[in-house]
Amino acid sequence: DTEVTQTPKHLVMGMTNKKSLKCEQHMGHRAMYWYKQKAKKPPELMFVYSYEKLSINESVPSRFSPECPNSSLLNLHLHALQPEDSALYLCASSRVGGGALGEQFFGPGTRLTVL
Amino acid sequence: AQSVTQLGSHVSVSEGALVLLRCNYSSSVPPYLFWYVQYPNQGLQLLLKYTSAATLVKGINGFEAEFKKSETSFHLTKPSAHMSDAAEYFCAVSLGGADGLTFGKGTHLIIQP
Repeated sequence: DTEVTQTPKHLVMGMTNKKSLKCEQHMGHRAMYWYKQKAKKPPELMFVYSYEKLSINESVPSRFSPECPNSSLLNLHLHALQPEDSALYLCASSRVGGGALGEQFFGPGTRLTVL
Repeated sequence: AQSVTQLGSHVSVSEGALVLLRCNYSSSVPPYLFWYVQYPNQGLQLLLKYTSAATLVKGINGFEAEFKKSETSFHLTKPSAHMSDAAEYFCAVSLGGADGLTFGKGTHLIIQP
């Protein structure tokens, strides 16, 4: 299985809502990533988990809260978002160690709209 | 720190013509380089990767790229464009391991019939 799955595909939320994005992979990868992609822009790294521990946080506002419950799952909890947070949120995974080359496998993304 | 620069935000070619998408990188250590393709409203798909094993890298869908250290370049080519190649293409760099990818700004490839 070489697939990264993300749910939901689309999400519309108000600024006072709490919601979560989910990502899952079964490739045995021990690194998982969240990226944010605005329209007509490249993906921007938000968080990296390595061996289920947060290893990189690119100064992301606290209204975004990542969680890695196990090696296959990655969540992104959303609370009190702003309209400018509307974007495509991409999850990715990769191998770690043993000559891992940084090649990442991406999910299809969750299209988030904040009203 | 590493970075990539993609020359040309839009490239238009005729169907059957050569595709050339340019990418230059900057890195203080030997980098790992990637080309990804993104179709509308989809995630990113890996086209090919440079891992220092060979300077000419072949990928999926007939694409290939050549790593030139002297020019710090990793340009993407395809001999004959198909309509289905129309998409956004991103060059990316990584230090390997669990390092995040740093992307170029992307090149939108347009295929003229």
